[in-house]
Amino acid sequence: DVKVTQSSRYLVKRTGEKVFLECVQDMDHENMFWYRQDPGLGLRLIYFSYDVKMKEKGDIPEGYSVSREKKERFSLILESASTNQTSMYLCASIAAGDSGYTFGSGTRLTVV
Amino acid sequence: QKEVEQDPGPLSVPEGAIVSLNCTYSNSAFQYFMWYRQYSRKGPELLMYTYSSGNKEDGRFTAQVDKSSKYISLFIRDSQPSDSATYLCAMSRGSKGQNFVFGPGTRLSVLP
Repeated sequence: DVKVTQSSRYLVKRTGEKVFLECVQDMDHENMFWYRQDPGLGLRLIYFSYDVKMKEKGDIPEGYSVSREKKERFSLILESASTNQTSMYLCASIAAGDSGYTFGSGTRLTVV
Repeated sequence: QKEVEQDPGPLSVPEGAIVSLNCTYSNSAFQYFMWYRQYSRKGPELLMYTYSSGNKEDGRFTAQVDKSSKYISLFIRDSQPSDSATYLCAMSRGSKGQNFVFGPGTRLSVLP
């Protein structure tokens, strides 16, 4: 069974902390994505990556950065966490020409 | 106007009912249409994937796309309590995933 694994289910961090969210996929997918999900707003794309060391901004990249040093791992970094970054963060991957994402189970981040 | 509109619900139906979930969209360039199911505290999972207009059936689920009306639907026949979840529609111009646009989701409860 193919999987996208997010390292933490729940995180509580303090304002101003640097936060790392990790995502690993075992499907050899080229494309990986980070979304945040907020009530009433749906999923919003933060960053995505087509290949190792490549990254592209999504719709809401401000306050975030990403790293993709290996094909299977895509990390989301909150440089200085703020309370408005409290959200559910979802990682997804998809193979080129494939028909839909495989999502991880999500990380619920609370910034206090 | 949001690019994809979806009634957030909640929608409650008795077990065995036929459920109709709908999304409208404004971008006529969308070609790929998807429905995802998301259980509480889990990531979304792909339920149905269709290209262009028409119907697609998979067991108790039927997806319909009407591009002329910019309207997509998901029908669930003989609904079960295990169908209780949030249903997200998504659509895109291409299949690579970087330009998927999601609706906010409809929360469905199927009551035994």
